[in-house]
Amino acid sequence: NAGVTQTPKFRVLKTGQSMTLLCAQDMNHEYMYWYRQDPGMGLRLIHYSVGEGTTAKGEVPDGYNVSRLKKQNFLLGLESAAPSQTSVYFCASRFGLGEQYFGPGTRLTVT
Amino acid sequence: AQRVTQPEKLLSVFKGAPVELKCNYSYSGSPELFWYVQYSRQRLQLLLRHISRESIKGFTADLNKGETSFHLKKPFAQEEDSAMYYCALSPNTGNQFYFGTGTSLTVIP
Repeated sequence: NAGVTQTPKFRVLKTGQSMTLLCAQDMNHEYMYWYRQDPGMGLRLIHYSVGEGTTAKGEVPDGYNVSRLKKQNFLLGLESAAPSQTSVYFCASRFGLGEQYFGPGTRLTVT
Repeated sequence: AQRVTQPEKLLSVFKGAPVELKCNYSYSGSPELFWYVQYSRQRLQLLLRHISRESIKGFTADLNKGETSFHLKKPFAQEEDSAMYYCALSPNTGNQFYFGTGTSLTVIP
């Protein structure tokens, strides 16, 4: 039981490049979330999903897209990376109204 | 609009001293409140939630609806309590979460 895993752990992008961050969970959780963590800003919700095939916008969705084609996976895409997207990205999953389980994070730098 | 406010970015206390991490929120209705903790080199994890009314690792938090606060308290701080603490709110619909900016607690030996 791996819990919540994130791929990759680190990435450096140049402005304008694209990439996809993968979040996977093996706990059969319905809810999945993508956050970004920035100094002095705490965690801010980017997008979330309440089930396979459904996604919704969070607080800071601009510049990101997501997909939940399979229940266990939640993908976060950056189509054209910008330096403002330099951050640590956390994925989380949740079963019903229970606690959130977080992944280890992905540190992304956009130059 | 900021829904969760943690006024202290940094907090230092001596071992054995009481500690209180403040959290205020703004939300109409009956939200659910949480405290999450991130120890060095570890994942963010749930510390406690108001509906469970538990004491975890000696920490307690009481939801004060009148003052819209959910302060985290521990009577005697330990060195292993040093970590980043986040207060979080989930509206009664249960889908979204709003986190505060976090408080970094350092317990001085």
